Amino acid sequence: NAGVTQTPKFQVLKTGQSMTLQCAQDMNHEYMSWYRQDPGMGLRLIHYSVGAGITDQGEVPNGYNVSRSTTEDFPLRLLSAAPSQTSVYFCASSAHQETQYFGPGTRLLVL
Amino acid sequence: RKEVEQDPGPFNVPEGATVAFNCTYSNSASQSFFWYRQDCRKEPKLLMSVYSSGNEDGRFTAQLNRASQYISLLIRDSKLSDSATYLCVVNGDSGYALNFGKGTSLLVTP
Repeated sequence: NAGVTQTPKFQVLKTGQSMTLQCAQDMNHEYMSWYRQDPGMGLRLIHYSVGAGITDQGEVPNGYNVSRSTTEDFPLRLLSAAPSQTSVYFCASSAHQETQYFGPGTRLLVL
Repeated sequence: RKEVEQDPGPFNVPEGATVAFNCTYSNSASQSFFWYRQDCRKEPKLLMSVYSSGNEDGRFTAQLNRASQYISLLIRDSKLSDSATYLCVVNGDSGYALNFGKGTSLLVTP
């Protein structure tokens, strides 16, 4: 049972490049979400999904897209990377009103 | 006003000490409450859920005061391995989305 997996672990991008951060869970959880964590800011919700085909914006959605075509996968796309998107990105999943399980994170540096 | 507020610390305590963290939340409709632990450069992990009657897990005790919208975590007999950031977490209106406090940093020293 792998839980929540994220790839890549580290990534360096140049301003304007696009990329997709992958997230997968094998616990059949309905809810998946993406957070970014910056020093002094805590965890901030980017986008979330309550099931396949359903996504919604969180607190800081600008510059990011998501889709949920399957229960297992919830990729996060950066359309045109900016230095302000340098951060640590965590994916999480849960059942309704239950504990959220986090992936190990992706550390992104945008130059 | 932030949904969940915590004292960022840091709390520096000697081994064996008892330390308490507090947290307040703004959404009176919240139903689920948690304490997560986050080690440096790692993902947050559930420490314990917080129940209305209060609950204990070994050296850790969590309390909830719904009237004051206040959650606490007490750590007894602190260990060096307790050094971490402790995140207060409260669910939002949907029952899915969680609101995280910024965390309280604890350093336990020999």
